[in-house]
Amino acid sequence: QKEVEQNSGPLSVPEGAIASLNCTYSDRVSQSFFWYRQYSGKSPELIMSIYSNGDKEDGRFTAQLNKASQYVSLLIRDSQPSDSATYLCAVRESNDYKLSFGAGTTVTVRA
Amino acid sequence: GAVVSQHPSRVICKSGTSVKIECRSLDFQATTMFWYRQFPKQSLMLMATSNEGSKATYEQGVEKDKFLINHASLTLSTLTVTSAHPEDSSFYICSATPDGQETQYFGPGTRLLVL
Repeated sequence: QKEVEQNSGPLSVPEGAIASLNCTYSDRVSQSFFWYRQYSGKSPELIMSIYSNGDKEDGRFTAQLNKASQYVSLLIRDSQPSDSATYLCAVRESNDYKLSFGAGTTVTVRA
Repeated sequence: GAVVSQHPSRVICKSGTSVKIECRSLDFQATTMFWYRQFPKQSLMLMATSNEGSKATYEQGVEKDKFLINHASLTLSTLTVTSAHPEDSSFYICSATPDGQETQYFGPGTRLLVL
């Protein structure tokens, strides 16, 4: 059974700080990794996708992937109150269109 | 691009009735769509994979006769909750993957309340 685990929250950071979110996965053949943001009462929206080892940056967000360690992370730089949400890590196996989701980490950015 | 819509956004129904939820990909074709359910303060639970032109694939524990899925075209999948009961009250979210891509894009969700 594919498992995706995220660091337990909630995570509270002051405005302007870096929020660091971690995710580990159990299935070694996983090839595609995604971070989604979900505001309370809303559906998930895609923030980042990453497929290769290393870092991928998009604005204030940086995703990091280490397939050998089965680890993917998301850094949010210069955190803003609007970043307060639940962040979901999702993993896709190469031969399966399905995503396995972590339980999510709730981030609160204090003004 | 990659916009997914759902209708209705919110529905209240009486116990024993059936409710149909539509999921549309507005600017792309999607052979595969997914239906999820999310209870308060819990993560997404995949219910089924909807395949255009063929039967849906249901996850373990999801009753296919209760949650009817029809993927009638490359831009439309419907989920019908038959004989709804209060325990079916939840947030139902669909997602779609553009053909040839890997990313799932989510619809805005449908909040179902069964009285």
